[in-house]
Amino acid sequence: DIQMTQSPSTLSASVGDRVTITCRASQSISSWLAWYQQKPGKAPKLLIYKASSLESGVPSRFSGSGSGTEFTLTISSLQPDDFATYYCQQYNSYSRLTFGGGTKVEIK
Amino acid sequence: QVQLQESGPGLVKPSETLSLTCTVSGGSISSYYWSWIRQPPGKGLEWIGYIYYSGSTNYNPSLKSRVTISVDTSKNQFSLKLSSVTAADTAVYYCARNRLRYFDWLSIPDAFDIWGQGTMVTVSS
Repeated sequence: DIQMTQSPSTLSASVGDRVTITCRASQSISSWLAWYQQKPGKAPKLLIYKASSLESGVPSRFSGSGSGTEFTLTISSLQPDDFATYYCQQYNSYSRLTFGGGTKVEIK
Repeated sequence: QVQLQESGPGLVKPSETLSLTCTVSGGSISSYYWSWIRQPPGKGLEWIGYIYYSGSTNYNPSLKSRVTISVDTSKNQFSLKLSSVTAADTAVYYCARNRLRYFDWLSIPDAFDIWGQGTMVTVSS
């Protein structure tokens, strides 16, 4: 199984901050990685796919990078609507799709 | 636009079978993979399994012995059955669509691009 490890688990930031979340895979997953945003009581929403491709309708302040085993999600200027939990997910091993443990972005 | 809606009992007794259905509206169930994902209260996301519209399936090994996912293309629905449930199966259950990507001639699941709103299932006597 491919394990996905996110860091940090919790992040405190202010509106306007640049925020970076890291996701590490236990083995290479090429660029087959997605990022999701989840708000309380809501379903996750796809933000980024194939490590760096922005899903249609997602603000350009969100960006993704990385390949192999190390990936990052960056929010260039944190907005009030961005306080949420973020998950990475690998789909290189399509026989077992796995998520990271999540990163909660809180108001500082 | 395509929308997904989960339905089924919100309370299941221990040792019984959890049964949920996801109805796809605004588009066809054909030509995609369709997944079930769950999230225990206060915890992260766990993929349960997926089904291709043709009926081929793949399950999380940790749940494989208890999971069955089926599809009814005539009703534009797919379903989840999870047997011998315990309190550890208490969670919000989501259905989701996997986009397709292609590896040579083979179509394989990509990211989850559309999700249902989720349904809470509690296992309790």
